[in-house]
Amino acid sequence: AAGVIQSPRHLIKEKRETATLKCYPIPRHDTVYWYQQGPGQDPQFLISFYEKMQSDKGSIPDRFSAQQFSDYHSELNMSSLELGDSALYFCASSLRRGDRPYNEQFFGPGTRLTVL
Amino acid sequence: GIQVEQSPPDLILQEGANSTLRCNFSDSVNNLQWFHQNPWGQLINLFYIPSGTKQNGRLSATTVATERYSLLYISSSQTTDSGVYFCAVSKETGGFKTIFGAGTRLFVKA
Repeated sequence: AAGVIQSPRHLIKEKRETATLKCYPIPRHDTVYWYQQGPGQDPQFLISFYEKMQSDKGSIPDRFSAQQFSDYHSELNMSSLELGDSALYFCASSLRRGDRPYNEQFFGPGTRLTVL
Repeated sequence: GIQVEQSPPDLILQEGANSTLRCNFSDSVNNLQWFHQNPWGQLINLFYIPSGTKQNGRLSATTVATERYSLLYISSSQTTDSGVYFCAVSKETGGFKTIFGAGTRLFVKA
């Protein structure tokens, strides 16, 4: 079965550079989520999109922005990178279908970002 | 916001032993999932279980929504069960912000 695809899998950047992470959800899934997981931490919710509209926002820094495109893929843009941004970034997708409370999320393999 | 507490934080088992992991949450939720994060960082879905009981091989889970807790049972543990087990919950409040617990770190010895 098709899974969530994330690219790149590994990324190394210098401080103050920008980075773009991409996420391709499971086909026909209408909701995308982004999470940040620091070393030894649990995943922290950043932002979600439902049908290409921002749905909910967590602890996402102002330096980060995200969007979902017409083909449902999503990109997380990170500017003015800091050492503390080094983390594993996960994308997840689900089939929400409107106001249904059911919302099982499936996670991609993650992008490991290292900021030097 | 919703608080999620997992216990125990760390667990060491001998291969073949059984264990119970617990997840307590502070408010009613619409969604609850258990994940296993393997040593390579991959988050693997174990159960979607906002209420009731499910079983999958050596694993089973029970959520008692009215008492705001969920249990994950691992029987006949294997070394490949090692990793971190996360409980994650969300509540339908116009969005689906998902809160993870801090996880239970499991090491199974051969």
